[in-house]
Amino acid sequence: GAVVSQHPSWVICKSGTSVKIECRSLDFQATTMFWYRQFPKQSLMLMATSNEGSKATYEQGVEKDKFLINHASLTLSTLTVTSAHPEDSSFYICSAPPGTREETQYFGPGTRLLVL
Amino acid sequence: QKEVEQDPGPLSVPEGAIVSLNCTYSNSAFQYFMWYRQYSRKGPELLMYTYSSGNKEDGRFTAQVDKSSKYISLFIRDSQPSDSATYLCAMSATGGGNKLTFGTGTQLKVEL
Repeated sequence: GAVVSQHPSWVICKSGTSVKIECRSLDFQATTMFWYRQFPKQSLMLMATSNEGSKATYEQGVEKDKFLINHASLTLSTLTVTSAHPEDSSFYICSAPPGTREETQYFGPGTRLLVL
Repeated sequence: QKEVEQDPGPLSVPEGAIVSLNCTYSNSAFQYFMWYRQYSRKGPELLMYTYSSGNKEDGRFTAQVDKSSKYISLFIRDSQPSDSATYLCAMSATGGGNKLTFGTGTQLKVEL
């Protein structure tokens, strides 16, 4: 299957700082990438859809000014958590569909964020 | 009511048992169904992808879809300790490469 990577895998930061998470499709081009958040023992909740060359589409309740998404190329999307607070501590996972509409999407290994 | 309901478990079975995992959904627009396996602190891994009602088999895994009942299942035969993980069902109205709605996941433990 297609490979999606994320960096970093683990980050600890102080409250009020910003954190950038990268999501890369390694062996395919992705015009669309998805960003999910997962709290302990809960399912994945879609935060936003990242579109190459255009603005991201955010799900209801997700603050676009707090979670900045940039999809600068066909293989890279970044999520920046601005002015992070302890309640932003979570597992952030990106995914990308590798091809046609009928295909599914492949997930990155996730980034664990801990805000102190 | 959530769009997708999944029993969170935990479900504990002996090695070699047949495991049945289920999800129900309320949105009749869902046409694409997936099962993912997620190990602790890792990203989800695609196991099965189905579109039509009926069964689809892949090795020890069988996915079953009943659109009339809005019910999907994943069966694992000859379960192994390495199958211990959380299993997430996911669904989409517009294709597996588009917005997915996930169940809460079922935690499975296969014991020796």
